Amino acid sequence: GAVVSQHPSRVICKSGTSVKIECRSLDFQATTMFWYRQFPKKSLMLMATSNEGSKATYEQGVEKDKFLINHASLTLSTLTVTSAHPEDSSFYICSAERADEQYFGPGTRLTVT
Amino acid sequence: QKEVEQNSGPLSVPEGAIASLNCTYSDRGSQSFFWYRQYSGKSPELIMSIYSNGDKEDGRFTAQLNKASQYVSLLIRDSQPSDSATYLCAVNIYQAGTALIFGKGTTLSVSS
Repeated sequence: GAVVSQHPSRVICKSGTSVKIECRSLDFQATTMFWYRQFPKKSLMLMATSNEGSKATYEQGVEKDKFLINHASLTLSTLTVTSAHPEDSSFYICSAERADEQYFGPGTRLTVT
Repeated sequence: QKEVEQNSGPLSVPEGAIASLNCTYSDRGSQSFFWYRQYSGKSPELIMSIYSNGDKEDGRFTAQLNKASQYVSLLIRDSQPSDSATYLCAVNIYQAGTALIFGKGTTLSVSS
């Protein structure tokens, strides 16, 4: 149990465009999901906490107007990177909370050209 | 600034040996501690969680927590080449809730 999926697994987009990443909990309901970003050779950095039916809570330094998060159901959270730039290229990973533990999706590798 | 510190390694051990991974954290209010394994290019996989002082064993893995010293460790017995990965220590950021702060990870290499 505790399977989390992400889509797409890889995406390449042009600078200035927007990209949507989906995170789904497949076999459990998750009131809370999290979005992380990981740059090469670095650790995971929490971007925001996504709560079903309410606004996301963003970590300091993360632009909420650039990284739009929607958690419309108990099994789906989406992250939209708006007006993407090359410096947004990274590995984006979501996690879903179950019983006080976090289970991670497989990640989405975003490359902005 | 809340921090989680790990030795980046690489930690090299022969097959069958015990690998010992260490982690310290700065926030005395932290209540939940986790070890994740991450293979290159993949997302983290939960290995162990520990919430109370002492040892917790699960198969070949033992997590140890000492809140007074703000120290958590992971022992891997009978290390296998397939254990070669980066091991991330994670601690809850806030006293309530489950948002995590991660260490930079320790790279483990198990040679056959």
